[in-house]
Amino acid sequence: QSALTQPASVSGSPGQSITISCTGTSSDIGAYNLVSWYQHHPGKAPKLIIYDVSNRPSGISVRFSGSKSGNTASLTISGLHADDESDYYCSSYTSTTTHVVFGGGTKLTVL
Amino acid sequence: EGQLVESGGGSVQPGSSLRLSCAASGFTFSDYAMHWVRQAPGKGLEWVSGISWNSVTTGYADSVKGQFTISRDNAKHSLYLQLNSLRPEDTALYYCAKGRTYQILLENGFDIWGLGTMVSVSS
Repeated sequence: QSALTQPASVSGSPGQSITISCTGTSSDIGAYNLVSWYQHHPGKAPKLIIYDVSNRPSGISVRFSGSKSGNTASLTISGLHADDESDYYCSSYTSTTTHVVFGGGTKLTVL
Repeated sequence: EGQLVESGGGSVQPGSSLRLSCAASGFTFSDYAMHWVRQAPGKGLEWVSGISWNSVTTGYADSVKGQFTISRDNAKHSLYLQLNSLRPEDTALYYCAKGRTYQILLENGFDIWGLGTMVSVSS
């Protein structure tokens, strides 16, 4: 069981927007603005798409956005493209000795 | 753009040891914290261990504490993970990842990842 809770799957049609939630606790997401999101195509290296809750690394499309409210962070992908179909993981810094916790991952299907 | 290349994985029996390596290029390795993240077959990502830029601070997941040891050699631009007393539940693809800052405390994202090296533990 992962420390952060994500839906196992979400889906959307091309052009639509989807949101993936990531729920933690007051020891991780609720305590720090240190939430990251990763896109992971199987067989490839995971890619950082959001850091510090809502910041995009250079080269990441503005269609990807992040937010946080309380113990829950969210990733929104707008204007879905077929190549957005992938696994998405959230992570957060945590005050526990583990330092970093991940969500279980969400499989995005573009219909 | 930076690159990370892992090596050292393999198929071993329970109780065995392995040493994973990660060769870094394209960025100033000694300026950043480095981490290991694993993914068991069909499962999600799990942070395993991290080490600060100067090796002073290390951290481990509770699941590997006392079993794995992380280290780095800045002169060789390399990160290592010593895996001891391996168990079937350690079977996973092990990724090397670069932190965005020099410390593992208040870590805020891994911005370069390798393709991973597979560790399989079975009798």
